[in-house]
Amino acid sequence: DIQMTQSPSSLSASVGDRVTITCRASQSINIYLNWYQHKPGKAPKLLIYAASSLQSGVPSRFSGSGSGTDFTLTISSLQPEDFATYYCEQTYSTPWTFGQGTKVEIK
Amino acid sequence: QVQLQESGPGLVKPSQILSLTCNVSGGSISRSDYYWSWIRQHPGKGLEWIGYIYYSGSTYYNPSLKSRTTISVDTSKNQFSLKVSSVTAADTAVYYCAGARYTYGQKYFFDYWGQGTLVTVSS
Repeated sequence: DIQMTQSPSSLSASVGDRVTITCRASQSINIYLNWYQHKPGKAPKLLIYAASSLQSGVPSRFSGSGSGTDFTLTISSLQPEDFATYYCEQTYSTPWTFGQGTKVEIK
Repeated sequence: QVQLQESGPGLVKPSQILSLTCNVSGGSISRSDYYWSWIRQHPGKGLEWIGYIYYSGSTYYNPSLKSRTTISVDTSKNQFSLKVSSVTAADTAVYYCAGARYTYGQKYFFDYWGQGTLVTVSS
């Protein structure tokens, strides 16, 4: 299985901050990398697919980059509604696997 | 707008079968660009993909659960189901159903999710 490692596991930030979350794959996954936002009691929400494609309806402050093994999710200006846990996921090969999550908390 | 909703018992006894159903509304489960999946999240942990089914009935299961898992589809009811046999406390989790869209270039991503349902395994 391809292991996905996110860093950091958690972070504290203020509204308006630029936030960067990284995801590293245990082998090359080309650009088959997705990012999700998950709030407690809610369904996870797709933010970015294929490493850098913004899902329809997602604010442009979210962006993704990377290819191969190293990927980044950036929130350019953190908003109150962005406090959540973020997961990366690889769909390069089955079984599809997720990172362990990065919890973004209010500073 | 496609919506997914999980249903099933919230409490299952050890060694019994966990059974959940996902009802798909607002769109057809038979669309050719979707693979219908189950994903679970253990308490305080990350997400684990269980497997998927295509509307034709073809399946793929995560090897970690393959021996105990069955996913089936009923296109006439626009729903798909999950069964996990011989459950233990380690199967206690929130179970999500989700739709993975397939696009050009073999890209897959989950853009439809259910709200999730907590299943507790306990006597």
